[in-house]
Amino acid sequence: RKEVEQDPGPFNVPEGATVAFNCTYSNSASQSFFWYRQDCRKEPKLLMSVYSSGNEDGRFTAQLNRASQYISLLIRDSKLSDSATYLCVVTGGSYIPTFGRGTSLIVHP
Amino acid sequence: NAGVTQTPKFRILKIGQSMTLQCAQDMNHNYMYWYRQDPGMGLKLIYYSVGAGITDKGEVPNGYNVSRSTTEDFPLRLELAAPSQTSVYFCASSPTDRAGNSPLHFGNGTRLTVT
Repeated sequence: RKEVEQDPGPFNVPEGATVAFNCTYSNSASQSFFWYRQDCRKEPKLLMSVYSSGNEDGRFTAQLNRASQYISLLIRDSKLSDSATYLCVVTGGSYIPTFGRGTSLIVHP
Repeated sequence: NAGVTQTPKFRILKIGQSMTLQCAQDMNHNYMYWYRQDPGMGLKLIYYSVGAGITDKGEVPNGYNVSRSTTEDFPLRLELAAPSQTSVYFCASSPTDRAGNSPLHFGNGTRLTVT
């Protein structure tokens, strides 16, 4: 089992839709969790950290489920500008961030 | 603050040539990383460093070397370039302490083609 797994997609959704991505991780000792956004193979940029209690930033909501070892990202009211690849990042006891391969989102008019 | 600066942005190498990818950060971060990203794939860790004078291998270190003589600089060396090293290379840094809760700051990447 890979350390961090994501469905590569693409997820193809209309503007205004709600879409959710999951990411599973194998190391139960993982400590930190993040979602990054990457456009057209540019550098990844931090979208949001994921906290144990869940957290929200505008249209974006992140959740952590330690028992089932997954994190999720929910995007409400999708915009064309949300089209990108969303990378799940997990940091374990070694403090080395491990990336999933990313989930591609395409928002169409 | 410039953040994380990578040079060059693009490079074409012939098989067997060598080169150094430069990475510098001005945020006084202890942790620095080199990742490579192949088309349609996630980022794979090549080498990392937890501070000046300390480096360690990541997931895909073969064919690469690094050094960390200062906190600011973390160059990546390719000694004998091979077509399999064609990729986009990202350098990143983090102020990670033992809590490990800090996100990564990335450079803009170096697009390398080996022919």
